[in-house]
Amino acid sequence: EVQLVQSGAEVKKPGESLKISCKGSGYSFTSYWIGWVRQMPGKGLEWMGIIYPGDSDTRYSPSFQGQVTISADKSISTAYLQWSSLKASDTAMYYCATILVPNWYFDLWGRGTLVTVSS
Amino acid sequence: QTVVTQEPSFSVSPGGTVTLTCGLSSGSVSTSYYPSWYQQTPGQAPRTLIYSTNTRSSGVPDRFSGSILGNKAALTITGAQADDESDYYCVLYMGSGISVFGTGTKVTVL
Repeated sequence: EVQLVQSGAEVKKPGESLKISCKGSGYSFTSYWIGWVRQMPGKGLEWMGIIYPGDSDTRYSPSFQGQVTISADKSISTAYLQWSSLKASDTAMYYCATILVPNWYFDLWGRGTLVTVSS
Repeated sequence: QTVVTQEPSFSVSPGGTVTLTCGLSSGSVSTSYYPSWYQQTPGQAPRTLIYSTNTRSSGVPDRFSGSILGNKAALTITGAQADDESDYYCVLYMGSGISVFGTGTKVTVL
């Protein structure tokens, strides 16, 4: 089955680090871009950034550049989104999704990882 | 920073037609922005409806259609059904791998 499986919900304190994951299966993981999308509570979707697992080419939205790090380990078909120092404002649902080119649209979605940052 | 604008909300009667739009804070939307559309119901991951302006994703009913109307991308729901009540988001491709989500439209069917 073609799917993206995201890691489970996380509860962290401000200042802590975190790395969440998105594992692809049923397709050629290295051949498709993967993107990350943030949804803060009660708010809309925000495009964060993308990675091409084949060569780890990464692009970030200006809004998220320097705030998060996107990476991938193609040997285990997994993409990551990480923070070095969480803030309360990072509390959100995070979705990963494959991106098909040349039309640059989200195709296959993960179910999301809820990150809660609270003291 | 580029802002992609959508109507905050729309109401449509069952069986009715509604057209949502997706515009740019400056400039016109064309097919070169590869407009795509996504549906999200509360508590669920988004679902891809339309890509490349007017191509329906697999399994999407043909009551959903995409187009360019004037200087905006548009999503039209023809013959709205109760389960079309959702939030709808567009995405525009800005180049160099970067895209931007629209502000989203909440559609109520009543």
